[in-house]
Amino acid sequence: DGGITQSPKYLFRKEGQNVTLSCEQNLNHDAMYWYRQDPGQGLRLIYYSQIVNDFQKGDIAEGYSVSREKKESFPLTVTSAQKNPTAFYLCASSTMTGSYEQYFGPGTRLTVT
Amino acid sequence: SQQGEEDPQALSIQEGENATMNCSYKTSINNLQWYRQNSGRGLVHLILIRSNEREKHSGRLRVTLDTSKKSSSLLITASRAADTASYFCATDAKGAQKLVFGQGTRLTINP
Repeated sequence: DGGITQSPKYLFRKEGQNVTLSCEQNLNHDAMYWYRQDPGQGLRLIYYSQIVNDFQKGDIAEGYSVSREKKESFPLTVTSAQKNPTAFYLCASSTMTGSYEQYFGPGTRLTVT
Repeated sequence: SQQGEEDPQALSIQEGENATMNCSYKTSINNLQWYRQNSGRGLVHLILIRSNEREKHSGRLRVTLDTSKKSSSLLITASRAADTASYFCATDAKGAQKLVFGQGTRLTINP
């Protein structure tokens, strides 16, 4: 069953704690992306990676960190430095050739109180 | 920075009617894509139109692209209740290896 998975679906954390969101894909895609979506809003790019052990900041990288140690995995850590972490987080992957059509995971809804 | 802006922000129509959503963008692009998002779920790719194409069809979907006006439209014909979702356009600016998404149009189909 090919695709992209995110876990957990819902995550609750106390303010001041770091939290790591998981993203795994078995589509053999080189590129992976993390987006943040706030209620009623579009997607904003946090980080993206086009190759293992390399990644680039997106438009809203402050307060977030990522790693890409394996092609299949691109975990996102929301640090305590992120001022408003409560949001819906979406992971996506794509090939590096052609149209960059992205395949999305189901998302993780993070609530920080 | 948002490359694409969608219009209208929200659209409510009766089942069976056609729904039209518009997207405007700012810079030269390689292609423009449309995605759909059901509430609380991930996005699903619907259709892609290349910068050298003017119109494309896929089932009940029709997409147009006007590069001179930097705009695109998505038409859903004979709408169904299951079409209720948010629809996003996404562009890949020339030279950029990433997509930039618009704010989306929330479409509601009333039975």
